[in-house]
Amino acid sequence: AQSVTQLGSHVSVSEGALVLLRCNYSSSVPPYLFWYVQYPNQGLQLLLKYTSAATLVKGINGFEAEFKKSETSFHLTKPSAHMSDAAEYFCAVSGAGGTSYGKLTFGQGTILTVHP
Amino acid sequence: EAGVTQSPTHLIKTRGQQATLRCSPISGHTSVYWYQQALGLGLQFLLWYDEGEERNRGNFPPRFSGRQFPNYSSELNVNALELEDSALYLCASSATLGPQETQYFGPGTRLLVL
Repeated sequence: AQSVTQLGSHVSVSEGALVLLRCNYSSSVPPYLFWYVQYPNQGLQLLLKYTSAATLVKGINGFEAEFKKSETSFHLTKPSAHMSDAAEYFCAVSGAGGTSYGKLTFGQGTILTVHP
Repeated sequence: EAGVTQSPTHLIKTRGQQATLRCSPISGHTSVYWYQQALGLGLQFLLWYDEGEERNRGNFPPRFSGRQFPNYSSELNVNALELEDSALYLCASSATLGPQETQYFGPGTRLLVL
């Protein structure tokens, strides 16, 4: 069975500060990992995804994530936070087979607040 | 290119009624997925359709059902509505099969059961 754990349901940073959102996964097979962002009253927007081509993945809006197999982690970072980054962020793992095939299993989400 | 569209945006029903939610995938996408985002429960996978067939189903009772039409649009039906069915229902689509495929999400339908 696959699962995702996001450490910290709320993260607060100052504008211009580093953003670090943590995600750890559990998967019996090499995982495909995704980060999505959800703005209030909207659907999910893909930030980036890991598909084993490179361990450091660059996404939209200056975000990037590093896949670390030894730590089973896929943390999301951004060097300098902007007010417009305030949203809820979800880490997800994609199922490769069996009952997990075709579905995304999401973490519980992290709400990012950016202070001026 | 138009994204995933869902209708209606909001739906209010009473307990015991039936709700029908609709989704149009991105043009060219054959797979459609449904997720429920309920307060306190997070995002949970409901159903996956591809080429008109149900490919996988999440841990939901049979009163949650759906179908995919020949034009790849999809419908989610929820029968005998219960208060805890109140949630945001998100539809997503992908171009092909495979765990590496990106699922693109629509804006959702917010269902309120009174």
